[in-house]
Amino acid sequence: EAQVTQNPRYLITVTGKKLTVTCSQNMNHEYMSWYRQDPGLGLRQIYYSMNVEVTDKGDVPEGYKVSRKEKRNFPLILESPSPNQTSLYFCASSPGQGVSPLHFGNGTRLTVT
Amino acid sequence: AQTVTQSQPEMSVQEAETVTLSCTYDTSESDYYLFWYKQPPSRQMILVIRQEAYKQQNATENRFSVNFQKAAKSFSLKISDSQLGDAAMYFCASRTNFGNEKLTFGTGTRLTIIP
Repeated sequence: EAQVTQNPRYLITVTGKKLTVTCSQNMNHEYMSWYRQDPGLGLRQIYYSMNVEVTDKGDVPEGYKVSRKEKRNFPLILESPSPNQTSLYFCASSPGQGVSPLHFGNGTRLTVT
Repeated sequence: AQTVTQSQPEMSVQEAETVTLSCTYDTSESDYYLFWYKQPPSRQMILVIRQEAYKQQNATENRFSVNFQKAAKSFSLKISDSQLGDAAMYFCASRTNFGNEKLTFGTGTRLTIIP
């Protein structure tokens, strides 16, 4: 089944404790991206990658890191999480330009205390 | 920069009736795409319908259709014969056909279906 898999689905952590949210897609998509969803703000892009070893900042990159060492994986790293990073996070992928829609993972609910 | 505005935070409709969700957008690009995504309580993001800006014909997917008014930069979603399973948060989004495939989202409309 074609899908984007994120783990974990829920995560509670404390301020300053490094964490990684994993994302993997099995559709051989070139493009991958991370979004965060906050009430009243919709979804906002954190980082994106147009191919292996090519990553760039989205609209809200502060406090996050990403890497794209393999085509299928695009982990999101929070090296020193803070309470303002409490949010719902989505990984997404697509094959490329055009009307092809983004395929989203099932989301990761992160709480930082 | 693109912006997407959904001015209705909440809407409700009787089961089997028709409801229209509003969306306006702003972009300086001539080549772009518009989407409606549905987010049920499971929080999955599910594509409902998509529209290429260069196409004048409004997109339709079963009970879902759009009213795309390019000059007015309006992209409303019409849901006909509303069903209980349509209850969800609906997000309007736009994307240019250049560079980053970033989706710019509106703030969402929560749709309640009244049995």
